[in-house]
Amino acid sequence: GNSVTQMEGPVTLSEEAFLTINCTYTATGYPSLFWYVQYPGEGLQLLLKATKADDKGSNKGFEATYRKETTSFHLEKGSVQVSDSAVYFCALAQTSGSRLTFGEGTQLTVNP
Amino acid sequence: KAGVTQTPRYLIKTRGQQVTLSCSPISGHRSVSWYQQTPGQGLQFLFEYFSETQRNKGNFPGRFSGRQFSNSRSEMNVSTLELGDSALYLCASSPLNSGPQETQYFGPGTRLLVL
Repeated sequence: GNSVTQMEGPVTLSEEAFLTINCTYTATGYPSLFWYVQYPGEGLQLLLKATKADDKGSNKGFEATYRKETTSFHLEKGSVQVSDSAVYFCALAQTSGSRLTFGEGTQLTVNP
Repeated sequence: KAGVTQTPRYLIKTRGQQVTLSCSPISGHRSVSWYQQTPGQGLQFLFEYFSETQRNKGNFPGRFSGRQFSNSRSEMNVSTLELGDSALYLCASSPLNSGPQETQYFGPGTRLLVL
């Protein structure tokens, strides 16, 4: 079956540091890949997505590239802010239907 | 446009009771999915409805059920509650039946505590 594996957290960084959160997946066919973010007490918000190999999703300074050869979709940001503190989820959608399979989530804390 | 709304936001029940949660999708969205979020199991897919039909179902016992109405609003029901059902239940909607590249928009969730 499909699965998503994220780097273990939590991750603690200082403001303006470089962020990488690793995500690898196992899936049949050609899934779409997503990063969602969850702020305390809230639901999930889409951060970015990529629907085919070599696509790069980007939003609010965050980027991720769909690498089919390494089955990866790593999230990066060049300079994090305190307001980026949240839980980040990598997810994939199967080719049949829109059901999302999520990774475990990575808690990010950014200190001033 | 208003986002996905879920009611109630918080709920406390006791073991053996049943509960109904409600989700109103973004206007015009026809697909509604439900997810359970717990610290131990993470985010797990419950089921998806499209045009009042269950299109997909996750690996949950039959105590978990749902339905969708003609206006796309959805409800999920959990009968004979167990302590392990304590979780954040998230609803997500998407606009069209166009496949996995669609973005799903999530509501704030209903936090259920079973005592």
